[in-house]
Amino acid sequence: GENVEQHPSTLSVQEGDSAVIKCTYSDSASNYFPWYKQELGKRPQLIIDIRSNVGEKKDQRIAVTLNKTAKHFSLHITETQPEDSAVYFCAASRRGNNDMRFGAGTRLTVKP
Amino acid sequence: NAGVTQTPKFQVLKTGQSMTLQCAQDMNHEYMSWYRQDPGMGLRLIHYSVGAGITDQGEVPNGYNVSRSTTEDFPLRLLSAAPSQTSVYFCASNRIGQPQHFGDGTRLSIL
Repeated sequence: GENVEQHPSTLSVQEGDSAVIKCTYSDSASNYFPWYKQELGKRPQLIIDIRSNVGEKKDQRIAVTLNKTAKHFSLHITETQPEDSAVYFCAASRRGNNDMRFGAGTRLTVKP
Repeated sequence: NAGVTQTPKFQVLKTGQSMTLQCAQDMNHEYMSWYRQDPGMGLRLIHYSVGAGITDQGEVPNGYNVSRSTTEDFPLRLLSAAPSQTSVYFCASNRIGQPQHFGDGTRLSIL
């Protein structure tokens, strides 16, 4: 089955700096890659997703890039703010297949 | 819409007891899934369903049973609870090919 690895496990940045989180996946048939943000004690919430027919997607300060050849995808957060502090999870699955596999998570801390 | 509703929010069990975690969604989503979340391990898929009457195993199915008799409900059953099943359990639902919507979770402790 699919295996998703996520790095780094913790990331600390100064407010206003950029943050980058990287994930690799093993199943070349995976074609849907969501990113979730989870605040302490809360549910995971989708922040952005990308499908395999697209190389990059942006939504305000958040962007995701996908390299299908290398089987890795990354989350980029620019102009970080203290409220961006949370745990971020990447995931991968085949479209139409709910067998979603998650990375272990990255704890992002944004220092004011 | 209430979205995805999980009950109970907290539960303490003794080893060997059985219980059912409830999950209901009111969005008419075809797909529903159960995950467990343990520290440092992200979310791991237990079981999922692509429609009423259809279920399949995920990454960590042992010790858990599911059924999907209606589109709205997807209960998770622990037949004989073990301390290794202490975790936070999340239910999610989605339309085919669309992002998952998660419930608020059930925090389960097994003594």
